[in-house]
Amino acid sequence: QKEVEQNSGPLSVPEGAIASLNCTYSDRGSQSFFWYRQYSGKSPELIMFIYSNGDKEDGRFTAQLNKASQYVSLLIRDSQPSDSATYLCAVKSSGNNDMRFGAGTRLTVKP
Amino acid sequence: GAVVSQHPSRVICKSGTSVKIECRSLDFQATTMFWYRQFPKQSLMLMATSNEGSKATYEQGVEKDKFLINHASLTLSTLTVTSAHPEDSSFYICSARTSGGWETQYFGPGTRLLVL
Repeated sequence: QKEVEQNSGPLSVPEGAIASLNCTYSDRGSQSFFWYRQYSGKSPELIMFIYSNGDKEDGRFTAQLNKASQYVSLLIRDSQPSDSATYLCAVKSSGNNDMRFGAGTRLTVKP
Repeated sequence: GAVVSQHPSRVICKSGTSVKIECRSLDFQATTMFWYRQFPKQSLMLMATSNEGSKATYEQGVEKDKFLINHASLTLSTLTVTSAHPEDSSFYICSARTSGGWETQYFGPGTRLLVL
């Protein structure tokens, strides 16, 4: 079992819709959770991080964390074509020196 | 967010030469930096963890004598690809971790290496 799992996609949504990206992790000791966006040919860019159960909103983005289910998601409201990218979920546990990344979900927002 | 720079952004070299890539944290001190490699349409692969003032920790399968890492200060880590070969052509990305409170990793813009 991979430490951090994401559906590779591609996930396609129409412009203006809500895009929902999901991530599960195996280490129950995980403490902090991150979502990165990576455009083709570019390096990952931090979008959001979340540490506590529940929702965290930042503009059009909402991160949701459920530690009991070992599940973290990212919702993108009012999706725009410029949101088309690969979204990486990353998890860090207190015992690890580094983050564990999922393989990423490719999102396409169609005009 | 915090800013991490990488230099050069792109390098083309002949097979057998060595290439040095610099990673700098511009507005924060980074005790720990990470080096990743990414091949086209593949996910990030962690190569090594670089700790200031100590030896880097390499992931399984990464040759430490081929990929030399030096983390001489709290704002600079370097990766040297020694005797580069065409199969080393890839996108190399560093990241730096903030310290204190909740730690977060920020990525540099990456270095695209092409070995002819």
